[in-house]
Amino acid sequence: AQRVTQPEKLLSVFKGAPVELKCNYSYSGSPELFWYVQYSRQRLQLLLRHISRESIKGFTADLNKGETSFHLKKPFAQEEDSAMYYCALSGHGGFKTIFGAGTRLFVKA
Amino acid sequence: EAGVVQSPRYKIIEKKQPVAFWCNPISGHNTLYWYLQNLGQGPELLIRYENEEAVDDSQLPKDRFSAERLKGVDSTLKIQPAELGDSAVYLCASSLATSGRVGEQYFGPGTRLTVT
Repeated sequence: AQRVTQPEKLLSVFKGAPVELKCNYSYSGSPELFWYVQYSRQRLQLLLRHISRESIKGFTADLNKGETSFHLKKPFAQEEDSAMYYCALSGHGGFKTIFGAGTRLFVKA
Repeated sequence: EAGVVQSPRYKIIEKKQPVAFWCNPISGHNTLYWYLQNLGQGPELLIRYENEEAVDDSQLPKDRFSAERLKGVDSTLKIQPAELGDSAVYLCASSLATSGRVGEQYFGPGTRLTVT
């Protein structure tokens, strides 16, 4: 069965510190992984997806099939990164997307 | 482009009353999703449409929930009768899905339902 686990509900870091939001998944096939972000009083929006292998707003995420993980990383956190982050998984060809419970990132000044 | 539009933004009803939510997706997007989001949880898929066809409604509680997507554009999600446990945020999203891959999903602002 498809499952996405985000073990941390809240992550608090100081501005300029590195940040890593963890995401582990369970899927038997070839997954598509996404990170969505929701800033305060804004709608949920795509941050990045593994197939594009981009760095967005300084964030990167690498799909590790061996560890079934897709952790989101940023070397130097900024206050404007404070938001709710959701990891999501879609099965290839199935189009169904499963979201994790989310991690609230709080970047302190 | 206004993005995905949802109405109403907030709704308060008494239990056992009916309620309906409306969604207008981004023009040209063939796939439309309705999600339920409980407090402290991620969105959970209720139903997915490809054009007019509901291709995944396995998580939709069909005894009280219904949905339709007229002409493959707008969509309505209805609950009748509402229960206290239905209090949540209902999200609509749309995407342009191509064969074998999920496109980027664009979300609406959601409808916050409170059942008293």
